[in-house]
Amino acid sequence: DGGITQSPKYLFRKEGQNVTLSCEQNLNHDAMYWYRQDPGQGLRLIYYSQIVNDFQKGDIAEGYSVSREKKESFPLTVTSAQKNPTAFYLCASSKITLDYNEQFFGPGTRLTVL
Amino acid sequence: GESVGLHLPTLSVQEGDNSIINCAYSNSASDYFIWYKQESGKGPQFIIDIRSNMDKRQGQRVTVLLNKTVKHLSLQIAATQPGDSAVYFCAENEGDSSYKLIFGSGTRLLVRP
Repeated sequence: DGGITQSPKYLFRKEGQNVTLSCEQNLNHDAMYWYRQDPGQGLRLIYYSQIVNDFQKGDIAEGYSVSREKKESFPLTVTSAQKNPTAFYLCASSKITLDYNEQFFGPGTRLTVL
Repeated sequence: GESVGLHLPTLSVQEGDNSIINCAYSNSASDYFIWYKQESGKGPQFIIDIRSNMDKRQGQRVTVLLNKTVKHLSLQIAATQPGDSAVYFCAENEGDSSYKLIFGSGTRLLVRP
């Protein structure tokens, strides 16, 4: 089945530790995205990537880092510099064509900092 | 700055009735709009989208209406079912950047049996 997978589903981290969230897609999509969602709120863009080895900051990139070494993978690292990392993290992907394309979302990773 | 917002944070409807979820947007350069459904603890699921050269688009039990004059978007769900209970988000693209979306804060739809 084609889709987007995120792992782990739940993640616990101690303060001061870096943690990496996985996102993989087999949809052959060029673009990938990371969003953060806080309770009762919408999605805020952290980073996005349109092509391998290239990515751009979103609206709340501080304290996060990403890499895009493969088309299928877009891991997100939550660093110790992120002041309030507890949130629900969503990865998405989309095609890039001359027309508009919807973003497909993964199931999310819930990160809790202890 | 530019923003996407919703008029009602929570909507409660009787099973079988029609639901209307509204969304206001402020970026006049946006030309692509999309509705997502998010169930608790899951990722958003695509419902329907619409381009700015249209004012109405229909899917299965859902209709999206776009009023560019007043920058208003609505999602209509016909014969609402218990499985429709979720949070619904509207999103717009960031001007002519079709792959970057700006999301509203969401409306929770509760379906009463």
